[in-house]
Amino acid sequence: QLQLQESGPGLVKPSETLSLICTVSGGSISITSYYWGWIRQPPGKGLEWIGSLFYNRGTYYNPSLKSRVTISVDTSKNQFSLRVSSVTAADTAVYYCANSYIGNYWVDYWGHGTLVTVSS
Amino acid sequence: QSALTQPRSVSGSPGQSVTISCTGTSSDVGGYNYVSWYQQHPDKAPRLMIYDVTKRPSGVPDRFSGSKSGNTASLTISGLQAEDEADYYCYSYAGSYTWVFGGGTKLTVL
Repeated sequence: QLQLQESGPGLVKPSETLSLICTVSGGSISITSYYWGWIRQPPGKGLEWIGSLFYNRGTYYNPSLKSRVTISVDTSKNQFSLRVSSVTAADTAVYYCANSYIGNYWVDYWGHGTLVTVSS
Repeated sequence: QSALTQPRSVSGSPGQSVTISCTGTSSDVGGYNYVSWYQQHPDKAPRLMIYDVTKRPSGVPDRFSGSKSGNTASLTISGLQAEDEADYYCYSYAGSYTWVFGGGTKLTVL
């Protein structure tokens, strides 16, 4: 069974870049049977899909975030990452990394989530 | 890509049934049979309750059921129990490898 664990700074200054890593255990990130993604949830608010990465096939982003977001993979460390540039207080959220099997249009596995606060 | 529309809150007494709606467009909910529902308790990661509109993962009680008509999907919980009190989110494929969530519904068991 796959396990996902987010890590990264809990505090980021406005206008800087938020960077998070998701470490995958129990399976290989380079297996093309999976796709990987990020979802966030501002405090007290709803879930928002950020984007999904299909290994060797492409990365797709929420149109509202596309200009500021990058999702990439590091196969040597079995990790994938999220970068959000030019952050504001509106980017304060719990960030979840997620996994799905190819052909599944739902999230199969979630990380526990990590809170990132944007504040000076 | 706009968030799917859900009622902010619903409530019911133990043993009763409640239905949570999720309204989108023909580009998401109405265009694909790929709506899933998640239950989220405070400070917990979401839990999958329904996928592909009507299917239930193993371990999810059969009190939970899903349906869809046109651009609106629904989650029905019958025989409400205290532990069903949580936030519920719908999630739909929106084409071109993009997805969209509903705004979430807080279920209160009276």
